[in-house]
Amino acid sequence: DSGVTQTPKHLITATGQRVTLRCSPRSGDLSVYWYQQSLDQGLQFLIQYYNGEERAKGNILERFSAQQFPDLHSELNLSSLELGDSALYFCASSRGQGAGGNTIYFGEGSWLTVV
Amino acid sequence: QKEVEQDPGPLSVPEGAIVSLNCTYSNSAFQYFMWYRQYSRKGPELLMYTYSSGNKEDGRFTAQVDKSSKYISLFIRDSQPSDSATYLCAMSLDTGFQKLVFGTGTRLLVSP
Repeated sequence: DSGVTQTPKHLITATGQRVTLRCSPRSGDLSVYWYQQSLDQGLQFLIQYYNGEERAKGNILERFSAQQFPDLHSELNLSSLELGDSALYFCASSRGQGAGGNTIYFGEGSWLTVV
Repeated sequence: QKEVEQDPGPLSVPEGAIVSLNCTYSNSAFQYFMWYRQYSRKGPELLMYTYSSGNKEDGRFTAQVDKSSKYISLFIRDSQPSDSATYLCAMSLDTGFQKLVFGTGTRLLVSP
């Protein structure tokens, strides 16, 4: 158990809908990262928050947004869902600012299926 | 061309074999190199973490980084069926708000 908690574990939704994925980082970790894993693309970095502030952005679509709250939990909002958004979404956390010099721990993921 | 290249496998070996997993990368500025293990439908689990070039050993696992060749390796000695998983290499630039860049993963199957 990495200590990173993600909910829900599985969800099925229809095209055009909106979903929210939730993440609680490990105790004491200030950085939260969101990654998308699909069969053809592998693990793709989406976005990072550090202590409530957006710090780095990757290949995140405009239909997706995220935030980190004062209690450090984070939410990833996916809207106008398309079939191609079906993937495993991982949250990860680390104590420090970024990947360099910090161990990043991953949660178990939220499996999203868009039908 | 992807920043990090990794053979997807599957790599099938008998129990007890020495396994060699590899990645090549194109960005010479990468400084931190990691290996993650991922079981099916689970989150990646950090196995090894190396800074810059050199070797690092932890139990049955040895990580090697050759920055001059832009090549990293993970060796698993005395492989076990429980080692069957997907192994992902990952790397990052120096400190600061830098992301992890992952390879696509190599699927390893260790048969009893």
